[in-house]
Amino acid sequence: DIVMTQSPDSLAVSLGERATINCKSSQSVLYSSNNKNYLGWYQQKPGQPPKLLIYWASTRESGVPDRFSGSGSGTNFTLTISSLQAEDVAVYYCQQYYTALYTFGQGTKLEIK
Amino acid sequence: EVQLVESGGGLVQPGGSLRLSCAASGFTFSSHTMSWVRQAPGKGLEWVSGISGSGAGTFYARSVEGRFTISRDNSKNTLYLQMNSLRAEDTAVYYCAREPYDSSGYSDYWGQGTLVTASS
Repeated sequence: DIVMTQSPDSLAVSLGERATINCKSSQSVLYSSNNKNYLGWYQQKPGQPPKLLIYWASTRESGVPDRFSGSGSGTNFTLTISSLQAEDVAVYYCQQYYTALYTFGQGTKLEIK
Repeated sequence: EVQLVESGGGLVQPGGSLRLSCAASGFTFSSHTMSWVRQAPGKGLEWVSGISGSGAGTFYARSVEGRFTISRDNSKNTLYLQMNSLRAEDTAVYYCAREPYDSSGYSDYWGQGTLVTASS
């Protein structure tokens, strides 16, 4: 199975500052035939189900604020929040869907400094 | 409006069985791959199982293969998860989730979840 490892496990950032979360896969999730990275990012707030933010590593889901962006390819990926807002406090997960057995990262807890 | 409503969770003794349901509405159910994802108390997300729109393709995490069975009834717009030989480590909130099209991989809509507790 592909193992997804996120860093850091937790992060505290000041309001208005940039937050960066990393995700590394144990093997490449780039499908060469279509040049797509099979990688998504989700946000989960307490007591709520996950919410899709990014898919194909860098495509923002409809309705997601443009301060959220995804980048990376192959085995190394990043979720960036350009200017942290109070409502962004949550746990963030990456997920690979390159194989039929999907796997998530362990999560990164984002808090306000 | 897309809606996914899970039901069937509850308290069950280790070794017991439970069947979860997910009622879907607001979209053409048979056109979408569906998944079950669980979250143990205070822990992260774990993908459990997925099924193609037609039901012909089913996939399982190694932790549940041979014990859980995913199925769907497209005439009733309902997804199921039959869970047998339950263990304490199966205790979690179980979410059903929709992929935006068959075999897209990522999930764009999630239900609110149903809690399964395997304990004596």
